[in-house]
Amino acid sequence: DTAVSQTPKYLVTQMGNDKSIKCEQNLGHDTMYWYKQDSKKFLKIMFSYNNKELIINETVPNRFSPKSPDKAHLNLHINSLELGDSAVYFCASSQAREDTQYFGPGTRLTVL
Amino acid sequence: GENVEQHPSTLSVQEGDSAVIKCTYSDSASNYFPWYKQELGKGPQLIIDIRSNVGEKKDQRIAVTLNKTAKHFSLHITETQPEDSAVYFCAASKGSGGSYIPTFGRGTSLIVHP
Repeated sequence: DTAVSQTPKYLVTQMGNDKSIKCEQNLGHDTMYWYKQDSKKFLKIMFSYNNKELIINETVPNRFSPKSPDKAHLNLHINSLELGDSAVYFCASSQAREDTQYFGPGTRLTVL
Repeated sequence: GENVEQHPSTLSVQEGDSAVIKCTYSDSASNYFPWYKQELGKGPQLIIDIRSNVGEKKDQRIAVTLNKTAKHFSLHITETQPEDSAVYFCAASKGSGGSYIPTFGRGTSLIVHP
């Protein structure tokens, strides 16, 4: 009965490749998010998305794009991977009218 | 934009001692302040939060205080236990609803020695 799940847990790939990370939540929440956590544990929000609005952190390169097939899923697509993209990526969700976010277990991306 | 400073970056205590982590924020319009605990290999989990209309909130061994005038808020853990060892993050945001964008502090690594 995992609330927020992500696949894969680990992803190792070569520079220049395109990859996707999947996220699913079974909490019935309206809003989902993607975060990047670097090697120093700094957490930075990348996107906030619900069925009405996509909010993008302006520092995120346009090689990153969220795709939501339905309310329970928000996948992260990354094109032309670079070494600096190596990090742990967390998906999260929240009820539209509430501020508490529930995080997934993370996906460790390593770009070689 | 919002800027959140968190101190200390590392905190080492003996089991049973208290631990205090402090955060300051820059945007006076921020009105929601959650604290997250991240254990090794896991995602952050909310442990307590406070809104700007409240000065203090307590949940068993954990408490959070907020000083809006000074724009700082603190996490207090009493009677620490080894299982409290983790990285703790503060965050600040404004507005409510799905478009709230939090700014996180850089985290505090808490180590509780048995």
